[in-house]
Amino acid sequence: ETGVTQTPRHLVMGMTNKKSLKCEQHLGHNAMYWYKQSAKKPLELMFVYNFKEQTENNSVPSRFSPECPNSSHLFLHLHTLQPEDSALYLCASSQDVRVRWQPQHFGDGTRLSIL
Amino acid sequence: KQEVTQIPAALSVPEGENLVLNCSFTDSAIYNLQWFRQDPGKGLTSLLLIQSSQREQTSGRLNASLDKSSGRSTLYIAASQPGDSATYLCAALTTSGTYKYIFGTGTRLKVLA
Repeated sequence: ETGVTQTPRHLVMGMTNKKSLKCEQHLGHNAMYWYKQSAKKPLELMFVYNFKEQTENNSVPSRFSPECPNSSHLFLHLHTLQPEDSALYLCASSQDVRVRWQPQHFGDGTRLSIL
Repeated sequence: KQEVTQIPAALSVPEGENLVLNCSFTDSAIYNLQWFRQDPGKGLTSLLLIQSSQREQTSGRLNASLDKSSGRSTLYIAASQPGDSATYLCAALTTSGTYKYIFGTGTRLKVLA
């Protein structure tokens, strides 16, 4: 049990579809993150939420739309994606973005393939 | 702009060998540096986190060191085992601008039985 659960684990979608990725953490944390991991590239931070408020948008295209209804849940809504968006999408959580001495805890990710 | 580099990209060693993984960063203005392990198809597991004021951290057979002035961190794995086979990532929490982790591309380690 990692404490951070992501669903689905795998997702295949066409460029015109709309889908959502879900992340749930059971660690009592208040900060949640979305990262993108593409082959042979470093992890890229996409969005950060702290106490449900978005604190970081790392110049992510608008076809990715995050939602954080509470501190335990984080969604990434996808629409009109491009083939280059195929990647592993990782969710992470931490106690608070201001508590920088605590580590981030990651889920196992959603492997997204765009046809 | 912070850049994090990990060398080598891949490493294959016989079981029982002691080994060192390297991580370098271009901007010494970091808050901490974290080492992660990633198994195939899985997320990241935090191994060690070193604060900028610390020189090293130890956990079991793992020892991570940090030299901010030279922009380097090393992860030392003692008496390697096949179960240590994974990709190891380092990430520097930069203090320039907004606080965020900048990741290296990882070292893929294979320990042969």
